[in-house]
Amino acid sequence: QKEVEQNSGPLSVPEGAIASLNCTYSDRGSQSFFWYRQYSGKSPELIMFIYSNGDKEDGRFTAQLNKASQYVSLLIRDSQPSDSATYLCAVNRPRSSASKIIFGSGTRLSIRP
Amino acid sequence: EAGVVQSPRYKIIEKKQPVAFWCNPISGHNTLYWYLQNLGQGPELLIRYENEEAVDDSQLPKDRFSAERLKGVDSTLKIQPAELGDSAVYLCASSLIAGGSDTQYFGPGTRLTVL
Repeated sequence: QKEVEQNSGPLSVPEGAIASLNCTYSDRGSQSFFWYRQYSGKSPELIMFIYSNGDKEDGRFTAQLNKASQYVSLLIRDSQPSDSATYLCAVNRPRSSASKIIFGSGTRLSIRP
Repeated sequence: EAGVVQSPRYKIIEKKQPVAFWCNPISGHNTLYWYLQNLGQGPELLIRYENEEAVDDSQLPKDRFSAERLKGVDSTLKIQPAELGDSAVYLCASSLIAGGSDTQYFGPGTRLTVL
């Protein structure tokens, strides 16, 4: 079992709809969670991070964290063609066990006009 | 504010040759990371520095890879000798740890092709 798992996709969503990206993690002690966007041939760029259970909103993006179920999700409202990219979920294992950020393999998102 | 700078952006070498990558982190960031990213995969940590100290190098193949971060700012990652399987993108990232946050900012990467 991978430490951080994501559906590789591609996930195809019509323009203007809500895109929902999911991520599960195995280390129950993980404390912080990140979503990165990576365009083809470019480096990852941070979209959001979340530490507490519940929702965190930033513009069209909402991160959701459920530590009991060990999943984190990213919702993108009013999807635009420019949102087409690979979305990487990253999880920070706790410092007491040599803190390390583990990345998932990413989900490819395609927004169709 | 300038971002993470990496050079070169692209490198093509023949197997068994040495290669080096350079990274300059965001000013004031005391933590620096080197990652390897293969196509279709997420970044995999090679080494993490806090200031000059390598605090996690468990995934660094030490028989051929080495890294240094003199003076706790710039860093160099070296491969000697390179193998075909080393072809990948090498990413450098930096972070300013505050309140337990490890929000990382990535450089543009170096795409290495080993022939």
